[in-house]
Amino acid sequence: QSVLTQPPSVSAAPGQKVTISCSGSSSDIGNNYVSWYQQLPGTAPKLLIYDDNKRPSGIPDRFSGSKSGTSATLGITGLQTGDEADYYCGTWDGSLTAGVFGGGTKLTVL
Amino acid sequence: QVQLVQSGSELKNPGASVKVSCKASGYMFIGPSINWLRQAPGQGLEWMGWINTNTGNPTYAQGFTGRFVFSLDTSVSTAYLQISSLEAEDTAVYYCARDLHYIRFDPWGQGTLVTVSS
Repeated sequence: QSVLTQPPSVSAAPGQKVTISCSGSSSDIGNNYVSWYQQLPGTAPKLLIYDDNKRPSGIPDRFSGSKSGTSATLGITGLQTGDEADYYCGTWDGSLTAGVFGGGTKLTVL
Repeated sequence: QVQLVQSGSELKNPGASVKVSCKASGYMFIGPSINWLRQAPGQGLEWMGWINTNTGNPTYAQGFTGRFVFSLDTSVSTAYLQISSLEAEDTAVYYCARDLHYIRFDPWGQGTLVTVSS
């Protein structure tokens, strides 16, 4: 049982837009920055978004992050088949004094 | 370039121990913490804890105390994860990751598969 809640799967057609939600509480998302990670099949996770909405260098602007209250959202526009992956949100939980993650969302580009 | 390179896959018998290494290059090792995460087969990411590269002080998440030990050798810019008394439930891919600021993990090691089976 993950501390953060993500939908198990989302899907959309190539070229379309998709959003992935991440729900938490005041002890985690509500008071700490959120990061998002992309895990392509058989590879290690890669940082996609940090500090709620910032992109590391090299990450295309098709990927965006936002946060409101105790929920965060990852947006991906102009979907490509290469975007098929598992996506995870993560943050710090001040009550648990631990890093916490969502269960992951599998993106299928139909 | 900045990277973390982990040691190779391990197959261990129940009750044995394993030590996974994570060698950093391309940046100053002392400073950002090294975190360890576990991903069981077909499952999500689980945060195991972190080690302070300035002091060598480890912090373990709940569920990862006792049999799990984080350590460093700063002379070779390497972090280690040792797991003792291995159980079948320890079968997983273990990742190290540099933490730039509270779960901002970049980069990650490529992962080390530890399989516990007789």
